[in-house]
Amino acid sequence: AQSVTQLGSHVSVSEGALVLLRCNYSSSVPPYLFWYVQYPNQGLQLLLKYTSAATLVKGINGFEAEFKKSETSFHLTKPSAHMSDAAEYFCAVSDTGNQFYFGTGTSLTVIP
Amino acid sequence: GAVVSQHPSRVICKSGTSVKIECRSLDFQATTMFWYRQFPKQSLMLMATSNEGSKATYEQGVEKDKFLINHASLTLSTLTVTSAHPEDSSFYICSARRQGPHEQYFGPGTRLTVT
Repeated sequence: AQSVTQLGSHVSVSEGALVLLRCNYSSSVPPYLFWYVQYPNQGLQLLLKYTSAATLVKGINGFEAEFKKSETSFHLTKPSAHMSDAAEYFCAVSDTGNQFYFGTGTSLTVIP
Repeated sequence: GAVVSQHPSRVICKSGTSVKIECRSLDFQATTMFWYRQFPKQSLMLMATSNEGSKATYEQGVEKDKFLINHASLTLSTLTVTSAHPEDSSFYICSARRQGPHEQYFGPGTRLTVT
């Protein structure tokens, strides 16, 4: 069975500050891990994905995430927050690419 | 590439009527399509998985007679909400998977409001 836990349903950061969104996963097989962003009333946009290649994954808009097997984590970071980063972020895990398990989401607020 | 569209983006219907939502993969053939439901401020819940030319597989607790899914071609899947009730009001999102990349491509979603 697979699951994802996102710690912190709401995160607030100042503009220009580091963004850190936490994701821990549970998987009985080597996982594929994803981060998606969702703006209000829109679908999900893929930020980045881990598919067993490099453990440090770089995505779009300056985001990156590091796969840490020992910690079963896949935290999302960005060195400097922009106002446009304010959105809902979802972490997801999959084994085969069919069944995706989503976390409960983290709402990011960027304070000017 | 890998664009998924949904139509309509928003729909309001009266209680008791049926509503059809279309999901199309515009530039690739989707071997599998997925339907999700998202309540306000909550995560996505997988409703069903559909493969072209075969019956959809519904998740536990999802009424297959109420949420009819048809995957008639490799680029089109439809979700029909039959005899809609206010509690069916939600944001419905589809996604599509193609052979090769281990990824799902998501549509922009459909906001359904049942009055």
